[in-house]
Amino acid sequence: AQSVTQLGSHVSVSEGALVLLRCNYSSSVPPYLFWYVQYPNQGLQLLLKYTSAATLVKGINGFEAEFKKSETSFHLTKPSAHMSDAAEYFCAVSDSSGANNLFFGTGTRLTVIP
Amino acid sequence: DTGVSQDPRHKITKRGQNVTFRCDPISEHNRLYWYRQTLGQGPEFLTYFQNEAQLEKSRLLSDRFSAERPKGSFSTLEIQRTEQGDSAMYLCASSLETLGNYGYTFGSGTRLTVV
Repeated sequence: AQSVTQLGSHVSVSEGALVLLRCNYSSSVPPYLFWYVQYPNQGLQLLLKYTSAATLVKGINGFEAEFKKSETSFHLTKPSAHMSDAAEYFCAVSDSSGANNLFFGTGTRLTVIP
Repeated sequence: DTGVSQDPRHKITKRGQNVTFRCDPISEHNRLYWYRQTLGQGPEFLTYFQNEAQLEKSRLLSDRFSAERPKGSFSTLEIQRTEQGDSAMYLCASSLETLGNYGYTFGSGTRLTVV
């Protein structure tokens, strides 16, 4: 079975500061890992994904995440926060065996303070 | 093709009524998924189609829920005898091949409110 835990339901950062959103996963098989962003009353947009290639994954809007097997983590970072980054962020996991459903975390709401 | 479309965007219904939602995936995508997202939670998997075949259903999909994808194109999700606990955002997503290769493209969702 797969699951993810997102530490911190709310994170606030100042504009221009580092963004760090934490995600730890649990999976009995090699995982696929994803970060999605959701703006109010919108669907989810894929930021980036890890599918067993490079452990440092670069995504859209300047975000990146590093897969650390020893820590079972896949934290999302961005060097400099922008006001437009304010949204809900979801980490998700699937196994690599061909299963097609994603297991999402409960989300982290990012607030960017001007 | 501008992405995954869902209709309606919002639906308010009285308890006990039936509702139906529609999802139009990206045209070349052969896989279609339904998820439910309640307030303050991440999306939860409901069901998945490959072409017209419904290949997997979650235990969350009670017998009041039914999903179809005739001809492997658009899909409908029907909820019969709605209950207040059905209030949620219903998200549709589609993908071309395996999740690991492409990930999903989500629609904007249908927000259901049962009063």
